[in-house]
Amino acid sequence: DAGVIQSPRHEVTEMGQEVTLRCKPISGHNSLFWYRQTMMRGLELLIYFNNNVPIDDSGMPEDRFSAKMPNASFSTLKIQPSEPRDSAVYFCASSRGTAEKQFFGPGTRLTVL
Amino acid sequence: GNSVTQMEGPVTLSEEAFLTINCTYTATGYPSLFWYVQYPGEGLQLLLKATKADDKGSNKGFEATYRKETTSFHLEKGSVQVSDSAVYFCALSENGSQAGTALIFGKGTTLSVSS
Repeated sequence: DAGVIQSPRHEVTEMGQEVTLRCKPISGHNSLFWYRQTMMRGLELLIYFNNNVPIDDSGMPEDRFSAKMPNASFSTLKIQPSEPRDSAVYFCASSRGTAEKQFFGPGTRLTVL
Repeated sequence: GNSVTQMEGPVTLSEEAFLTINCTYTATGYPSLFWYVQYPGEGLQLLLKATKADDKGSNKGFEATYRKETTSFHLEKGSVQVSDSAVYFCALSENGSQAGTALIFGKGTTLSVSS
């Protein structure tokens, strides 16, 4: 089975540009999580969905960040406008049934110049 | 609120040395506890878990025991290998292991093993 798929794997953009990160969860998983990882702050949960519905977005840093899950097989995380402090690795994870079975994607390394 | 505190790294060991990575937690109720591992360039993978007090999780030679009295879940391995070099994350699940429950992660501890 394919794992969680994220694209792109690397993104380099300039400050002020819109960035869209994509995630395809494992088929049959009903929960999807977006995380951000930096050296300074470690791994942070940004938002998560259950059955395509956002449950907790308290980790989203500010209004520049938005996430959608239009269907069970696709989610996006958008940053508009991007800033250098958004540079990080963004992970998507999905799970079915129990929280511990979260499967992580390979991550998207975002660099905002 | 709930939180997880891990020992700061990096931890540098020689092959076959004994490993301990400390993890303590603060939680209301009875959380489940986990260790995840992140190898270079990859996402996190579940290493082991424990769902109640005195449970011992184990996998790939790693062990951790859920100690409610000391609110700890320390990771141990008797003899590390170079291939164990990775970042290790302690985590807890609020409200137990329920569907879609968000995990709370520690900051991670980098382990580097040399031959």
